[in-house]
Amino acid sequence: QVQLQESGPGLVKPPETLSLTCNVSGASVTSDYYYWSWVRQSPGQGLEWIGYIHASGSTNYNPSFKSRVTISIDTSKNHFSLSLKSVTSADTAIYYCARDTGDIYFYGMDVWGQGTAVTVSS
Amino acid sequence: EIVLTQSPGTKSVSPGERVSLSCRASQAVVSNYIAWYQHRRGQPPRLLIYGAASRATDTPGRFSGHGSGTDFTLTISRLEPEDFAVYYCQQYGTSPWTFGQGTKVEFK
Repeated sequence: QVQLQESGPGLVKPPETLSLTCNVSGASVTSDYYYWSWVRQSPGQGLEWIGYIHASGSTNYNPSFKSRVTISIDTSKNHFSLSLKSVTSADTAIYYCARDTGDIYFYGMDVWGQGTAVTVSS
Repeated sequence: EIVLTQSPGTKSVSPGERVSLSCRASQAVVSNYIAWYQHRRGQPPRLLIYGAASRATDTPGRFSGHGSGTDFTLTISRLEPEDFAVYYCQQYGTSPWTFGQGTKVEFK
């Protein structure tokens, strides 16, 4: 059974960097068949896709974040990470990691972590 | 980016009823790459439908999706108590992937 688990600080001061890690069990982050995403939900708002990384190292970011975001992958630890620079209160949200599946055909985000709440406040 | 507009914003229904939720895209969705997610409070989103019409693993048969191009629908044939939640559509055919604003299905 594939499981994802987010970890990281629950409180970040502006304008510091938000750093989260998603630990993956039951699947390998090195698989060509998966893309590893971050999605967030701000209070009272809907879902917002931040970006993904593939085992090859290729990334795809939402332009809304592009200048501030980095997603990286650590194959030795079987996890991937999110770094969001220069945070403001607008970055307060629940952050989810998720797995996208597919190669020629894509199947959506079929496995999600439980989510981790991050508050940005001084 | 592709904007997804879901309607209605809130749907008040009773258990056993049939409900249809709409998702309209601002431009055609490539390969009909539309997914539907169920989001219950305190839980992560759950993939129900991918590719506009295919059920994900463990999705009950009362959930069905259809549509193409710019208009998509999620239908729940007979609402069960555990189906009261927020439902999001998402397009993953064109970057950046985008979500609709959600439809809340609440108890009448």
